[in-house]
Amino acid sequence: KNEVEQSPQNLTAQEGEFITINCSYSVGISALHWLQQHPGGGIVSLFMLSSGKKKHGRLIATINIQEKHSSLHITASHPRDSAVYICAVGIEKLVFGKGTKLTVNP
Amino acid sequence: DTAVSQTPKYLVTQMGNDKSIKCEQNLGHDTMYWYKQDSKKFLKIMFSYNNKELIINETVPNRFSPKSPDKAHLNLHINSLELGDSAVYFCASSPQRGNTIYFGEGSWLTVV
Repeated sequence: KNEVEQSPQNLTAQEGEFITINCSYSVGISALHWLQQHPGGGIVSLFMLSSGKKKHGRLIATINIQEKHSSLHITASHPRDSAVYICAVGIEKLVFGKGTKLTVNP
Repeated sequence: DTAVSQTPKYLVTQMGNDKSIKCEQNLGHDTMYWYKQDSKKFLKIMFSYNNKELIINETVPNRFSPKSPDKAHLNLHINSLELGDSAVYFCASSPQRGNTIYFGEGSWLTVV
C-alpha cells in the first residue's frame, strides 16, 4: 500500500461539473501539496496546506489532519482543467500519490 | 523569464554513455531538487540541496551525481546510462524547506 493514495485514478466530467479528487495518506505530515501536470508534462504547484482550507479561483483544497485526508475541488470545470492532479506529502522529501487523470469534455 | 529552467528538454542517448542535465533557477531560492518520473508517471525525489549542501540523497545509484556550483544551479550527471534510466527528470526549487515548490519543464531522457 502506497503511503499516499489518490482516488479516483481517472475521472471524466462534463464542462461545468463540480469535481472532487481525494488524497489519503498514512504518514505523519507537516504539509500537503496539490500539483497539476499538464499533458505537455509541465508541473505546477496549486496549493500547499497544513490545515484548513485554501481557495484560488475555481480551485479549493481542504485538509483534515486527524483523518489524514485532503480533497481538491474544482468548481465549474472547464476543458482546460484537463490534466493529472497529484497529491504529495512532506516537507523537502515529498512522497507522491500516483495522480488522478482528469478529462473535462466540452 | 523562466523561473526554473532545465536543459536539454529532450535527450536520446545510447547505453553506456555519460550525460548531464543542467538546471538553473532565477528565483533566489535556497533549496533545489531533482525528481524522477518513471514510465508509469510516478514521481519520486532523488536529491535535495539547500544552499549548495546535499540534504537528501534517496536510494539512487551512485552513477547519478548531482553538482551544485552555486545555490542557483543544480546539475545532474549520469554515468554509464542504462535502459532503466529512461524517464522524465524534473528540477525544482523552493524558497526554503517546506515551502511551495516550483518545477522546471522536465527533461525527457531516452536511453537506447
